[in-house]
Amino acid sequence: DQQVKQNSPSLSVQEGRISILNCDYTNSMFDYFLWYKKYPAEGPTFLISISSIKDKNEDGRFTVFLNKSAKHLSLHIVPSQPGDSAVYFCAASKNYGGSQGNLIFGKGTKLSVKP
Amino acid sequence: DGGITQSPKYLFRKEGQNVTLSCEQNLNHDAMYWYRQDPGQGLRLIYYSQIVNDFQKGDIAEGYSVSREKKESFPLTVTSAQKNPTAFYLCATGRGQRIHSNQPQHFGDGTRLSIL
Repeated sequence: DQQVKQNSPSLSVQEGRISILNCDYTNSMFDYFLWYKKYPAEGPTFLISISSIKDKNEDGRFTVFLNKSAKHLSLHIVPSQPGDSAVYFCAASKNYGGSQGNLIFGKGTKLSVKP
Repeated sequence: DGGITQSPKYLFRKEGQNVTLSCEQNLNHDAMYWYRQDPGQGLRLIYYSQIVNDFQKGDIAEGYSVSREKKESFPLTVTSAQKNPTAFYLCATGRGQRIHSNQPQHFGDGTRLSIL
């Protein structure tokens, strides 16, 4: 049973426009969420995170929004650039029991930003 | 990530053989993790270690083994019991037992394992 879902396997956006990547989760015990960016044949790199005590976190062109009641978060990239083309993974932290610090990942969304 | 070295980048294994993937870090992080990625899938946790000489099974530990004799090193052995070992393997580190707002996991560049 997937606890973190990214329902859009791919997204195509024009350069300069906004990219919105979505993520849903089912486990209400998750209290920390992260976005990672991954290029082919490389490891994921951390992009931005948000704690469940917040509903928004912004870092430059990247903003993450969290809606706890809907168990939904989204990553906004504005303006989108061709270098943003990559696979984006949403991850949630299970900070309870014996598995503190472990991340549960979604399947990823491949973003293509066209010039 | 320059602080985490995974070797080799590509690895081939004959059926029935064990193979060990290396992961070394110089970030002085306490926690280390092994993930597996299959095409079109997210990362799935194989094993993790929050401190030297201690490690725990993740979600898909069957057919794998690990050791954590040194803080810097967390090798993963893919045994012959792993029936479908072909995948991209990623090692990650974290600062401690709990994730806080500025303590994400850091990943190496991965090892791609293929069966001959």
